[in-house]
Amino acid sequence: QQPVQSPQAVILREGEDAVINCSSSKALYSVHWYRQKHGEAPVFLMILLKGGEQKGHDKISASFNEKKQQSSLYLTASQLSYSGTYFCGTDSNDYKLSFGAGTTVTVRA
Amino acid sequence: DAGVIQSPRHEVTEMGQEVTLRCKPISGHNSLFWYRQTMMRGLELLIYFNNNVPIDDSGMPEDRFSAKMPNASFSTLKIQPSEPRDSAVYFCASSYGTGSYNSPLHFGNGTRLTVT
Repeated sequence: QQPVQSPQAVILREGEDAVINCSSSKALYSVHWYRQKHGEAPVFLMILLKGGEQKGHDKISASFNEKKQQSSLYLTASQLSYSGTYFCGTDSNDYKLSFGAGTTVTVRA
Repeated sequence: DAGVIQSPRHEVTEMGQEVTLRCKPISGHNSLFWYRQTMMRGLELLIYFNNNVPIDDSGMPEDRFSAKMPNASFSTLKIQPSEPRDSAVYFCASSYGTGSYNSPLHFGNGTRLTVT
């Protein structure tokens, strides 16, 4: 079953912050985050495992609340290069990722 | 590392024809996934292999779709006969270990399939 992402789209000016949420109706063992630019393949950003950890990748970080079956991706001080579609992928201990519908992020100068 | 290699990049075919998509995973990766991406349905998992063995093919839409992994460095996804609703971008991804739990997926550049 696919996780639910919100919002569907967000428009930012350079330097602004944004949060993308991902929730699942199933217990989660890990959450992945990927970014896809138009016409390209999804590119891995980070994995969060059970344990409620928080990770960071430059000024992009994420948290994972396994009790709530939710993860959030934080874009801080956004840059033009952050534009793209962000997908969360969830693993419910079945060794495969189900992806959300994606959140399209547009960063403008 | 060369990354995951898919071929062809683009495929245009007529309804009823057979289509074969190819994938070479990253050397040393033992999990391989085929995904299909459309605007309507997003990224859908079609089939997952581990150590060349199909583990989960519950996402394969119909008997018209089949996938094989004859060895650790090659996989194919075949559609026979193809239909216009099969038009999509098909991605192959590989990872190290058992499935996707704690290992990133590395995606190929995809094959854009158009069935007319």
